[in-house]
Amino acid sequence: AQKVTQAQTEISVVEKEDVTLDCVYETRDTTYYLFWYKQPPSGELVFLIRRNSFDEQNEISGRYSWNFQKSTSSFNFTITASQVVDSAVYFCALSLGGGSNYKLTFGKGTLLTVNP
Amino acid sequence: GAVVSQHPSRVICKSGTSVKIECRSLDFQATTMFWYRQFPKQSLMLMATSNEGSKATYEQGVEKDKFLINHASLTLSTLTVTSAHPEDSSFYICSARGGLPLSYEQYFGPGTRLTVT
Repeated sequence: AQKVTQAQTEISVVEKEDVTLDCVYETRDTTYYLFWYKQPPSGELVFLIRRNSFDEQNEISGRYSWNFQKSTSSFNFTITASQVVDSAVYFCALSLGGGSNYKLTFGKGTLLTVNP
Repeated sequence: GAVVSQHPSRVICKSGTSVKIECRSLDFQATTMFWYRQFPKQSLMLMATSNEGSKATYEQGVEKDKFLINHASLTLSTLTVTSAHPEDSSFYICSARGGLPLSYEQYFGPGTRLTVT
């Protein structure tokens, strides 16, 4: 069975600080997909990124960056120069291949609060 | 593209009544739809997976007679909470997965907040 662990339940930072959200996953499959989602207070999930298990390249998108390391089964997410609008719950998730219908297993989420 | 809608966005019902929530893929055909439940300050828990035209597959611990799922077409799935009770109050989120080439993508609806009084 697969598992996603987000050890940080809550993080509070001051605006403009950098913050890293940790995600550790477990799976025996060699083909899998990792995701990050943002859930603002409105509740709607916002897709941020997807990586497949064969692509370990780190990615940067504006103030967001992701560090995927298979050696440590981690897929960490960094927000640079955080802003108040970044305040939300962030979920890391894992899905396997087609045989499982690509079901998502979510971590418990990290509540990020960015204070002005 | 890849928009999923849910209706209603909020519903309040009395204990003992049934509530139906609709999930539609607006601009693509959904091979598979998923239903999640989220309690306050908790993660999303998968309730069931449904493929068009076949019975839903429920996760362990989810009562299939209580949460009826119908995936009648490639663009519509419904979740009916039967004989709702206050403990069924939750945020219900659906997602839809299309076919190739992005068959691994799930697109989420905005969620339905159910309150049972």
